[in-house]
Amino acid sequence: GAVVSQHPSRVICKSGTSVKIECRSLDFQATTMFWYRQFPKQSLMLMATSNEGSKATYEQGVEKDKFLINHASLTLSTLTVTSAHPEDSSFYICSAITYGAGLSNQPQHFGDGTRLSIL
Amino acid sequence: GENVEQHPSTLSVQEGDSAVIKCTYSDSASNYFPWYKQELGKGPQLIIDIRSNVGEKKDQRIAVTLNKTAKHFSLHITETQPEDSAVYFCAASGGYQKVTFGTGTKLQVIP
Repeated sequence: GAVVSQHPSRVICKSGTSVKIECRSLDFQATTMFWYRQFPKQSLMLMATSNEGSKATYEQGVEKDKFLINHASLTLSTLTVTSAHPEDSSFYICSAITYGAGLSNQPQHFGDGTRLSIL
Repeated sequence: GENVEQHPSTLSVQEGDSAVIKCTYSDSASNYFPWYKQELGKGPQLIIDIRSNVGEKKDQRIAVTLNKTAKHFSLHITETQPEDSAVYFCAASGGYQKVTFGTGTKLQVIP
């Protein structure tokens, strides 16, 4: 159980293109999804937290107009990198979690990431 | 905010030996400590977690210990196998707060 699917797994595109990444919880409903960025040989850097039906909360230093997040349903969140440039090239990973009454401290379940390469 | 330190950054062990990875955290309000394994090109996978109301938890070859007073927690892998080779991340959080990850440990198990 607790499977998170992320698509696409790899994207190569030209500078100036907008890229959309999907994150789906396949066998559970995710009240909250997180988007991370990971540089080679480094830890995960939280970009934003998205709750179903509400606006995402962005971490300090993350441009909300650059990284658009939509969490329209309990099983789907999308990250759109707008007008991508080479410096946006990275490994983007989503995770999903279910919070509820009495359900604090739940583990995050991660997708397999999207390798984004901007030429 | 929370700060999680993780050591060592790299660890090489012979197959069959044990591996220990240690983490410290700064926020005494943290009460949930998951450990993740990340293989190359993949997302992190939860391997074990511990909550602050217990001091130790074991799952087959993997065990985690927690010392709340010292704000230390550790991952122990016994009888290591080549497929244990990966990057391991510790993490800490409290309640509904976001998770703070350690810097990662690259474990290499030498056959």
